[in-house]
Amino acid sequence: EDQVTQSPEALRLQEGESSSLNCSYTVSGLRGLFWYRQDPGKGPEFLFTLYSAGEEKEKERLKATLTKKESFLHITAPKPEDSATYLCAVLGAGGTSYGKLTFGQGTILTVHP
Amino acid sequence: DSGVTQTPKHLITATGQRVTLRCSPRSGDLSVYWYQQSLDQGLQFLIQYYNGEERAKGNILERFSAQQFPDLHSELNLSSLELGDSALYFCASSVYADSSGANVLTFGAGSRLTVL
Repeated sequence: EDQVTQSPEALRLQEGESSSLNCSYTVSGLRGLFWYRQDPGKGPEFLFTLYSAGEEKEKERLKATLTKKESFLHITAPKPEDSATYLCAVLGAGGTSYGKLTFGQGTILTVHP
Repeated sequence: DSGVTQTPKHLITATGQRVTLRCSPRSGDLSVYWYQQSLDQGLQFLIQYYNGEERAKGNILERFSAQQFPDLHSELNLSSLELGDSALYFCASSVYADSSGANVLTFGAGSRLTVL
């Protein structure tokens, strides 16, 4: 069964203080690793898809990287508006993995001004 | 606004009751997915429909059922409700049927169900 573990559960940063969020995964044939952002009272919003080890993607202050066992979401010089829950999910290829994203519990990021 | 519309936003009901949650997918999307989000379980995949047909099934209880109609909207029916069914229920939609990295899901704002 696919598994996704995110750490830390919660992260408090000062504005401008860079840091990283971790997503460790086990999956039967990775077809994609996804990062989503979720604001309170809203649904998850798509950020990135990564397909293979060594791949990197960037969007504004966010950069996602992927290895064979984990993914990192690096946040450079964060602003208060980056405060949200960041969710990692994997899409597997085999058997019961077909058709479903397996999500981690998320990291709650709070950026103080 | 993501383009995925869910109603109702909030619903409070009693144990043993039955409720229906409704989802209209984003224009052009043929797949609809239902997810349950609770504090202790995180986001759990329930079921997927593509163009009216069931495509994939996850951890959906027998008390729950869903369908997708010809106009592509979907309904999730929850019956014999228990306290543990209290959660946020999200609908998501996508263009394609097949699971691939390119098949990005767009989520609605969710329906918050409280069972008393």
